[in-house]
Amino acid sequence: EAGVAQSPRYKIIEKRQSVAFWCNPISGHATLYWYQQILGQGPKLLIQFQNNGVVDDSQLPKDRFSAERLKGVDSTLKIQPAKLEDSAVYLCASSLEIGRATEAFFGQGTRLTVV
Amino acid sequence: GEDVEQSLFLSVREGDSSVINCTYTDSSSTYLYWYKQEPGAGLQLLTYIFSNMDMKQDQRLTVLLNKKDKHLSLRIADTQTGDSAIYFCAEIFSGGYNKLIFGAGTRLAVHP
Repeated sequence: EAGVAQSPRYKIIEKRQSVAFWCNPISGHATLYWYQQILGQGPKLLIQFQNNGVVDDSQLPKDRFSAERLKGVDSTLKIQPAKLEDSAVYLCASSLEIGRATEAFFGQGTRLTVV
Repeated sequence: GEDVEQSLFLSVREGDSSVINCTYTDSSSTYLYWYKQEPGAGLQLLTYIFSNMDMKQDQRLTVLLNKKDKHLSLRIADTQTGDSAIYFCAEIFSGGYNKLIFGAGTRLAVHP
């Protein structure tokens, strides 16, 4: 079974530039998550999709972050414009269904450095 | 609110047992999880426990759940150097929609 694919693995941009991350979840997984993990902290949920609908984006800084899930499969997360404090690892995860004992599978993440 | 707390660091000698502790806030959490993160890697599910259980054993791993105190622990028996990693406790927070919420992680260092 192929895992969750993310790209790019690393990205360095200057502040005020834009950046986009891509995630391909495991086939058949209805739930997709984007997490932000700042160095030394636990992952913070940014947005959660169920199929192609957003079920939670309460922690997403909507003035600069946006995300979409195309046809309920792939997802992109965009930051525009980036700030220094956005430097973090952005993790994508997917699961069959949340709320049951189903594992959330994580990608390797995209490490973003804003300079 | 949503909050999962863990101690940040644990150092043990190889061969000893490690106990990593976690407290959570949502008394209605249905599942609680332990994830492992090695350097440069994503998170890997180690084990989980359903809220109607108070203990679960899986090879070297033992999970204890105290629902009254909202306390979860992970015991690793015969800790090896390969167990060195960051361990995250996570809960299903069911305020509105089910969300998977993580603690800050406990860095386990295993020394000879």
